[in-house]
Amino acid sequence: EVQLAESGGALVQPGGSLRLSCAASGFPFSAYWMHWVRQAPGKGLVWVSGLNGDGTNTVYADSLKGRFTISRDNAKNTLYLQINSLRADDTAVYYCGRGGPPYGVDVWGQGTTVTASS
Amino acid sequence: QSALTQPPSVSGSPGQSVTISCTGTSNDIGSYNRVSWYQQPPGTAPKLMIYEVSTRPSGVPDRFSGSKSGNTASLTISGLLAEDEADYYCSSHTNTSTWVFGGGTKLTVL
Repeated sequence: EVQLAESGGALVQPGGSLRLSCAASGFPFSAYWMHWVRQAPGKGLVWVSGLNGDGTNTVYADSLKGRFTISRDNAKNTLYLQINSLRADDTAVYYCGRGGPPYGVDVWGQGTTVTASS
Repeated sequence: QSALTQPPSVSGSPGQSVTISCTGTSNDIGSYNRVSWYQQPPGTAPKLMIYEVSTRPSGVPDRFSGSKSGNTASLTISGLLAEDEADYYCSSHTNTSTWVFGGGTKLTVL
């Protein structure tokens, strides 16, 4: 079964850092683009970042460049998102997703919750 | 890279049809057939319903259809069912190789 499972969400003080993980199973991980999408409480989906199968092409939402770093370890079938200098408005559920059909995200994880608060 | 524009809410009675619009620019929807639509019931992860403007993934009912004209894409749901009640989001790839979502539309089945 194709699955994605996020982990690493936590309550963090503003200014802190966090690394989210997304474990993939059931498909050839290195063959797919992967994405991070976040959703603040009661708000809509916001695309954060994506990278290609071998990790050589990374793209970020303009408003989030600089504090977020996406990466992957294809040997471990795992996607990562490093978030630095956390701000209150980074509070959200963070989903990882598989870039399956052309330019669509066809598999989603259950999400992991990040809360930036003192 | 502004968010795509969707109506905040739409509603319809069971059996009726509803259409949700998604307006972008010539930098995204207007230039590429790279529009996707997602369904998100409360408390759940999104589900891909349409990709490449009008293609349905396996398992998505043919009551869901997509189209595009100029800078605006549309999702039409025909034969509304109570189970269709959810938030719907459009998304497009852009000319800077990024992705952008719409603000979301809450569908209420009356």
